[in-house]
Amino acid sequence: DIQMTQSPSSLSASVGDRVTITCRASQGISDSLAWYQQKPGKAPYLLLYDTSRLQSGVPIRFSGSRSGTDYTLTISGLQPEDFATFYCQQYYIKPITFGQGTRLEMK
Amino acid sequence: QVQLLQSGAEVKNPGASVKVSCKASDYTFSRFGISWLRQAPGQGLEWLGWITPYNGNTNYAQKFQGRVTMTTDTSTTTAYMDLRSLRSDDTAVYFCARVSTHGFYFDFWGQGTLVTVSS
Repeated sequence: DIQMTQSPSSLSASVGDRVTITCRASQGISDSLAWYQQKPGKAPYLLLYDTSRLQSGVPIRFSGSRSGTDYTLTISGLQPEDFATFYCQQYYIKPITFGQGTRLEMK
Repeated sequence: QVQLLQSGAEVKNPGASVKVSCKASDYTFSRFGISWLRQAPGQGLEWLGWITPYNGNTNYAQKFQGRVTMTTDTSTTTAYMDLRSLRSDDTAVYFCARVSTHGFYFDFWGQGTLVTVSS
């Protein structure tokens, strides 16, 4: 199975900050990576797919990129509604696997 | 607007089975796969498997092989997930999710169903 190592596990930031979250894949996944946002008691919500493609309706302050086997989610200009837990997911090979999650908290 | 509406919370004894439903609406049900995932309390996301409503083909994560069955009823646009021989560590919120036709990621999710396994 492909292991997705996500960091940091938690992060404190303020409104207006720029934050980055990283997932490292245990092997190449050919940009088959998605990012989700999850708020307490709710289902995950798709933000990006194919590493950097924005899902319809998602604000452009969310972006994604890759360097080697490291995949990064960047939020530029945090808004109050952005504080949540974020997960990466690889879909290159089944079984589908997720990172452990990053909890983004307000400082 | 695409919707996936799941059945309500369940409490089961160890060793029992649970069947969760997922009613899809506002899209062509047969064109999109449905995956099932779960999230134990305070934990991350775990994929159980998926089904293609068009032909009923399934693919289960090895961990759940022999214990899970996924089915669909195209006449009611409903997907089902049956998990047997429940253990306390099966306590989790179970989600259904629509699989994008572009890649194996999940573009719409059900609201989740809490399954509690306790004696």
